[in-house]
Amino acid sequence: GAVVSQHPSRVICKSGTSVKIECRSLDFQATTMFWYRQFPKQSLMLMATSNEGSKATYEQGVEKDKFLINHASLTLSTLTVTSAHPEDSSFYICSARMHRMNTEAFFGQGTRLTVV
Amino acid sequence: AQSVTQLDSHVSVSEGTPVLLRCNYSSSYSPSLFWYVQHPNKGLQLLLKYTSAATLVKGINGFEAEFKKSETSFHLTKPSAHMSDAAEYFCVVSTTSGTYKYIFGTGTRLKVLA
Repeated sequence: GAVVSQHPSRVICKSGTSVKIECRSLDFQATTMFWYRQFPKQSLMLMATSNEGSKATYEQGVEKDKFLINHASLTLSTLTVTSAHPEDSSFYICSARMHRMNTEAFFGQGTRLTVV
Repeated sequence: AQSVTQLDSHVSVSEGTPVLLRCNYSSSYSPSLFWYVQHPNKGLQLLLKYTSAATLVKGINGFEAEFKKSETSFHLTKPSAHMSDAAEYFCVVSTTSGTYKYIFGTGTRLKVLA
């Protein structure tokens, strides 16, 4: 089956620094990638949708200048949390879809971000 | 607009007994529905999906779900629970236009008792 690799799985950073999370589709080309945030014991909240070669579409309430998303190729999307604060600590998950049409998405294993 | 409601936030069953996780959906069009499982601090794994083919969908690890349009339900079942089934389960509906986003239910935490 299709595999999505997310890196790193865990990261600790200091307040004020930036951290980059990578999401790669290993054996397929992902025209669309999604970034989610998950708070403890809660569901996934969609942050943004990115299509290869175009700007990401952010959900309402998500600061696009804080959460920079780049989808430079058909196999890689990155999420950069800029000027991180402790409240940005969370579990971030990406998913990737092969086509823009209604097919299933494949999820990465998630990144646990802790800002100290 | 599409939405899903997972009726139980927590379900406890004994090992070897049936599992029922309930999900109701709302959709103006024929929906695509999914069940995913998440183990602690892990990503999501697809259990099964319904995309307007057979209404009884069989998935991995012995799980299955039945799409019932008249009841707008897509409940997940398994005849016999295993300890390894303990996890968080999400019912998901995909939007039918635009970027085909996933809309997640709030999740059901399944606990399996020995």
